[in-house]
This record gives sequence, C-alpha cells and structure tokens, in this order.
Amino acid sequence: QVTLKESGPGMLQPSKTLSLTCSFSGFSLSTSGMVVSWIRQPSGKSLEWLAAIDWDGDKYYNPSLKSRLTVSKDTSNTQVFLKITSVDIADTATYYCARSQGYYSSYMGFWGPGTMVTVSS
Amino acid sequence: DIQMTQSPSLLSASVGDRVTLNCKASQNIYKNLAWYQQKLGEAPKLLIYNANSLQTGIPSRFSGSGSGTDFTLTISSLQPEDVATYFCQQYYSGMNTFGAGTKLELK
Repeated sequence: QVTLKESGPGMLQPSKTLSLTCSFSGFSLSTSGMVVSWIRQPSGKSLEWLAAIDWDGDKYYNPSLKSRLTVSKDTSNTQVFLKITSVDIADTATYYCARSQGYYSSYMGFWGPGTMVTVSS
Repeated sequence: DIQMTQSPSLLSASVGDRVTLNCKASQNIYKNLAWYQQKLGEAPKLLIYNANSLQTGIPSRFSGSGSGTDFTLTISSLQPEDVATYFCQQYYSGMNTFGAGTKLELK
C-alpha cells in the first residue's frame, strides 16, 4: 500500500527558509520509474507544481521558482525533502507530495494529505 | 507554459444529473491530461489519466474524453458524494500545470 505524508514547521517568518519532508512507504525511490513531486495550493486556489526528483536522482523545478527551490532525497530512498529560501506571504499554502511513474511530467496517482504552511511575521 | 482553462468555474446540478466539465489547453497536448477530484480539506484524488483512462477504484460513472486542446470530464449520474472541486492537469510539456478548477455543488 502506497502512502505519503508531508511534514513541515506549520508557521515561519518572512525571509526564512522553509524545510519540508515527505515520508513515504509502499515503494522505494530507488526503483526505476519512481518520481516524487511537490505541489502547493494556497487556500481556495488552484494547484502549483513546484519540483520533482526521480529514481535516478535527477531533479526538476518549476522555472518560475527554480532559484529558490532545492529538492533532495535521503539515502534510504524513503524520504524526499524540499527547501524554499526567502519565503514571503505568497508562499502560504498547503504543500503536498505526490508520486508518479515514468517521468516527472506525468499524472500523480498517490498524494499525501498535505501540510499547511503559514508565512507570517 | 501551457495554460489550462476550465469551465464553468461553478456548476450546480441535481442528484442523478449527467454533468459535463470542460478543460481547454492553450496548445496541443495530445492526450496528456489528467482529472482530479478534491473534496473540502482533502488532497486531490486522481480520477482519469491519459484523457480517458479510469484510475483503479474510481466509479464507472466518471469518464473522460478529448484530445489535442479540448477535454471533458463526464459524470453520468451525479451522486451526493461527488460534491467537490475538479482540476485538470496537463503533463505534455516539461512542466505540470493545472486548471483553476470547477466547483461542483448540489442544486
């Protein structure tokens, strides 16, 4: 059974670095074809794809945010991380991680429940 | 980036109605389109991929059609549990992009 779960700080101040963790089970990110993405959703708004990392360690970013994003994975291939630097109020959102297969630009069949992040002074 | 436009933004329908939601891509995406259902306070759930393939476990009243730039999600007989916001997503380009969503409510 594939499950994913996001964790984060809940709240942080503007200009800080946001660190998020996606912990998953039911698959290994070392398995060929596996991809984990980060997507965010401000309250009441649509979804924005942020970044992805695949089984080979290749990383992909939303060009509009690329300079502020870093995606990585742990050596056990059961966690993926996302860092967003210099956050501001516009980064307030629910952050999801999701799994796809084959390519980072793909449909996402499994999602975590999301973690809400508020940027506020 | 490829822009995805969904219509209508709000749809009111009655139980048992046949419901059609639309999604239009700003350029040809062939059949690289997915539909998601998001209920209040929950994560999105994949319904349809590759424009017309039903995800495992999704009721057969949901169906998808279209290719190129114009796509449709149809619910053949609306059920109360279908109240949700529905998003389309293109994955043809090297960037996943989502539509703004259609909120489906009961009349």
